[in-house]
Amino acid sequence: GAVVSQHPSWVICKSGTSVKIECRSLDFQATTMFWYRQFPKQSLMLMATSNEGSKATYEQGVEKDKFLINHASLTLSTLTVTSAHPEDSSFYICSARRVGASGELFFGEGSRLTVL
Amino acid sequence: DAKTTQPTSMDCAEGRAANLPCNHSTISGNEYVYWYRQIHSQGPQYIIHGLKNNETNEMASLIITEDRKSSTLILPHATLRDTAVYYCIVSPSGTYKYIFGTGTRLKVLA
Repeated sequence: GAVVSQHPSWVICKSGTSVKIECRSLDFQATTMFWYRQFPKQSLMLMATSNEGSKATYEQGVEKDKFLINHASLTLSTLTVTSAHPEDSSFYICSARRVGASGELFFGEGSRLTVL
Repeated sequence: DAKTTQPTSMDCAEGRAANLPCNHSTISGNEYVYWYRQIHSQGPQYIIHGLKNNETNEMASLIITEDRKSSTLILPHATLRDTAVYYCIVSPSGTYKYIFGTGTRLKVLA
């Protein structure tokens, strides 16, 4: 089946630093990737839609200058949390749509960010 | 806002069928019903999806009512490894933009 990989799986950083999370589709090309975050015991919340070669589309209430998204190739999207603060601590999950597929999305394993 | 409502939690005995309901009364004609599950601290795993007809794969069956306002995911022989949060999502064909609801926390009991 289609595999989406995230790196790193977990990261701890100091407040004020920036953290980059990578999302790769390993065995297929993905024109569109999505970024979610999930707080403990809550559901996934869509943050943004990332299209290869164009600017990401952010959901209402998500700061685009805080969460920088780059989708430079058909197999890689990155999420950079800039000037991270403890309230940004969360589980970040990406998903990818396979070109030509029937409609399901494939999700990465998630990246747990802890900001001290 | 999520377009689906699901029971918060359910229990199922190991080896029995688990029937997880989902209401999507405002579903549009071009919206598919997708089911995913999320095991603790992992990304969601695709299970099955459908538009109008019932669907079956190696993991589960999906029963969609004739008016498409509700559906049921059936795990025919639940195992302990099926313990997870199950999400029912409706999404228009071509957008792939999933809005997750609260899901159903299924606990399979030995």
